[in-house]
Amino acid sequence: NAGVMQNPRHLVRRRGQEARLRCSPMKGHSHVYWYRQLPEEGLKFMVYLQKENIIDESGMPKERFSAEFPKEGPSILRIQQVVRGDSAAYFCASSPTTGYGYTFGSGTRLTVV
Amino acid sequence: ELKVEQNPLFLSMQEGKNYTIYCNYSTTSDRLYWYRQDPGKSLESLFVLLSNGAVKQEGRLMASLDTKARLSTLHITAAVHDLSATYFCAVDLAMDSNYQLIWGAGTKLIIKP
Repeated sequence: NAGVMQNPRHLVRRRGQEARLRCSPMKGHSHVYWYRQLPEEGLKFMVYLQKENIIDESGMPKERFSAEFPKEGPSILRIQQVVRGDSAAYFCASSPTTGYGYTFGSGTRLTVV
Repeated sequence: ELKVEQNPLFLSMQEGKNYTIYCNYSTTSDRLYWYRQDPGKSLESLFVLLSNGAVKQEGRLMASLDTKARLSTLHITAAVHDLSATYFCAVDLAMDSNYQLIWGAGTKLIIKP
């Protein structure tokens, strides 16, 4: 079991470019969560998805950010027209359909220059 | 607004000493997690506390939960250098399934040899 796979591990984008972050959940997990962590801070919830459905996106900025979890393939967090304030570590977690517990990926560290 | 507050936020201690990290939360929840994060790394699950009075121990770490007081503690016994990390508590908003986690700001623990 490969765990939660995130890629890329590091991503550098210039202001105004698009960033695409990918997350493949653990085998058997159908729930995906994205969190953002700023330096020296805790994690902030962004969005909770199940296959083909966004369950809760209350933590997503209203503009430029979107997320999807298609029927096939990884979950994608997309940030359009990145700004310096988007620089952060973005963590994906997955959980099983029943039971409890979250498994985190290694994160994608986004740097906007 | 749900708040999860940890204290202290920073702790420097000598090897061999004991100390306690506190996690207070502001809403009803019967599920609380403790995670460890090393610099630049992902989050490692330490404990899941599921009910009032729950106590779990792993090595030199012991976690407890008092749902009436909305308080969890992480106690470190005879600290060793390898325990240096940032420790987060997180509260699950859902009662019956996984949902989103609300995180404390983290306690940065430095243990000096």
